[in-house]
Amino acid sequence: NAGVMQNPRHLVRRRGQEARLRCSPMKGHSHVYWYRQLPEEGLKFMVYLQKENIIDESGMPKERFSAEFPKEGPSILRIQQVVRGDSAAYFCASSPTGSFNQPQHFGDGTRLSIL
Amino acid sequence: RKEVEQDPGPFNVPEGATVAFNCTYSNSASQSFFWYRQDCRKEPKLLMSVYSSGNEDGRFTAQLNRASQYISLLIRDSKLSDSATYLCVVMGNAGNMLTFGGGTRLMVKP
Repeated sequence: NAGVMQNPRHLVRRRGQEARLRCSPMKGHSHVYWYRQLPEEGLKFMVYLQKENIIDESGMPKERFSAEFPKEGPSILRIQQVVRGDSAAYFCASSPTGSFNQPQHFGDGTRLSIL
Repeated sequence: RKEVEQDPGPFNVPEGATVAFNCTYSNSASQSFFWYRQDCRKEPKLLMSVYSSGNEDGRFTAQLNRASQYISLLIRDSKLSDSATYLCVVMGNAGNMLTFGGGTRLMVKP
């Protein structure tokens, strides 16, 4: 499967724990985007990364959330000290060049549940 | 005002019907436009890009009116498998983020 790969599919954490969500873009894609979909809401942009660089993090909450896309390995979205309000579906998307007319292709998402 | 607005529906139509969805966007500098579909809060899947000249893909036709900041999707000969939430998506000129509408839910009945 050469699509965008996200893991885990489901993640359960207790309040105060850390959550790490992983995303491997499609083969040949070097641009990664993270989106969040809260229950009963639409998808909202969080962060846009290229290899080793954060290009736009205007949608990221100011505290507890961070993202990286290292030279080797998947992109990681990290949520520290999770709270109930972090429960959501987190989707990763990728595109080959980041050009404005290129659609983004999405992974299956990670459903995060906070107990 | 939301950046991308859609009627949430649901639109309940019989098989074989023609159905149209509309969407408006507020940022006149938006560069690219897409329709995605989402089934039961699974991942969004690209349905089609939308061009000013209008474009068609089988039973699906998309139109863009930049002057009115309005996007439409027409589905002809609806199938049961078309039941899903249709997301109007806009890409701005200030970066590559996608801005999603809230989605329009379509239910096609036998």
